[in-house]
Amino acid sequence: KAGVTQTPRYLIKTRGQQVTLSCSPISGHRSVSWYQQTPGQGLQFLFEYFSETQRNKGNFPGRFSGRQFSNSRSEMNVSTLELGDSALYLCASSSGQGETGYTFGSGTRLTVV
Amino acid sequence: EDQVTQSPEALRLQEGESSSLNCSYTVSGLRGLFWYRQDPGKGPEFLFTLYSAGEEKEKERLKATLTKKESFLHITAPKPEDSATYLCAVQARGYSSASKIIFGSGTRLSIRP
Repeated sequence: KAGVTQTPRYLIKTRGQQVTLSCSPISGHRSVSWYQQTPGQGLQFLFEYFSETQRNKGNFPGRFSGRQFSNSRSEMNVSTLELGDSALYLCASSSGQGETGYTFGSGTRLTVV
Repeated sequence: EDQVTQSPEALRLQEGESSSLNCSYTVSGLRGLFWYRQDPGKGPEFLFTLYSAGEEKEKERLKATLTKKESFLHITAPKPEDSATYLCAVQARGYSSASKIIFGSGTRLSIRP
């Protein structure tokens, strides 16, 4: 059974640019969540999608947005990149029932220069 | 305010030396508490979900327990391959029918041969 796939694995962008990250959940999982992980702040919740609808959103500026497609694949977009956006962005999927936890991908390492 | 605090931040043990990691939480309505293991450069790997005080779960050398205010991850006779960062997360009841997950900052565990 394939796990959660995130692409790309690494990205280097310049301040002011925008970036789109992709996440393919485990087959059959309809819930996809996004997290930002930094050494100083740890893992912070960005947003969660379920059946193409944003179910919850963390405390991030509007520059961070996402969407989910009918096949449950999800994308996250960050516009007007800032140096502080450099982080490991993790995607996690679950069946939506929550009882078995969330399966994480290996993440996308974003570096903003 | 919902909060998760893990202690200690770092723990170094000798192979075979048992110990416990602590996760204290404050949340308005606990839906579930999760334990994850994270290796460098990888996404968190799901270990356990606990739902109610008194609940215990075991997996190999790991045992997780839950009270009304904290959870412990007990590691019995650890081996070097148990070295990783262990993350605790709580799933709280959010607005409407949504849920949110709050992660602790993790405990970096190092096992010396």
